[in-house]
Amino acid sequence: GQQVQQSPASLVLQEGENAELQCNFSTSLNSMQWFYQRPGGSLVSLFYNPSGTKHSGRLTSTTVIKERRSSLHISSSQTTDSGTYLCAHSGGSNAKLTFGKGTKLSVKS
Amino acid sequence: AQTIHQWPVAEIKAVGSPLSLGCTIKGKSSPNLYWYWQATGGTLQQLFYSITVGQVESVVQLNLSASRPKDDQFILSTEKLLLSHSGFYLCAWSLEDRDTQYFGPGTRLLVL
Repeated sequence: GQQVQQSPASLVLQEGENAELQCNFSTSLNSMQWFYQRPGGSLVSLFYNPSGTKHSGRLTSTTVIKERRSSLHISSSQTTDSGTYLCAHSGGSNAKLTFGKGTKLSVKS
Repeated sequence: AQTIHQWPVAEIKAVGSPLSLGCTIKGKSSPNLYWYWQATGGTLQQLFYSITVGQVESVVQLNLSASRPKDDQFILSTEKLLLSHSGFYLCAWSLEDRDTQYFGPGTRLLVL
C-alpha cells in the first residue's frame, strides 16, 4: 500500500528562522496536500499541490513528481506557526488519502 | 460562506454501547464528504468518503459504518463500541474530487 514518510518528526526553531519540512511517497503521485493541525486537533488546509510550486504568504510548497517528494517551506517563522504539519497523498483523488505521521513544529520567542 | 459543523464536540461512552456522530455542511450543494479518525498520538486515517447522497465508500475497516441520508449530512455510527474506537473524528468536504478539503472542528471520543 501507499506509504508517506515525513521528516523531521519534530523541529524547534527560534522565531524568525526558516523551516523546511519534507514528505516522501512510496507510490506514484497524483494528489498531494499539506495540512496544519492545531494543538486542539482541527485541521487547516494549506496546499493542494500535485505538482510544481505554490505560494501562500510565508509558505511555499514544492512537489516533484518524478522524485516522489514534496516540501513545505516556512519563512520567517512565528510562534503562531507552532503545531503539527501533515502531508497527505493519494494515487488519484481525495478518496483513499494517506497521511504521514506529521512534523511537530515548535517556534520559540 | 460554507460552514461545517460536527456533533457532539466530545463524548464519553462505554464499551459495547452504540455511537452516532454527525456532520453537516451548509452553504455548498453536493459536496464530497469524508470521515477521518486519529488515535491519540496516531496517524490520521481516512475512514469513508461519499460523493453523493446514499452512496458511501469504506476505506478502512474499523467496525464502523457511515451513511449520507441528505446532501448536507454525513453520519458515522456503530452499534457496539470498542476501546480501540477512542480518538478524534474529523469530517471534511471538498467541492471536487481532486480539490482542497475543508475540515470540521472534530469530535473527541473516549471509550471506557
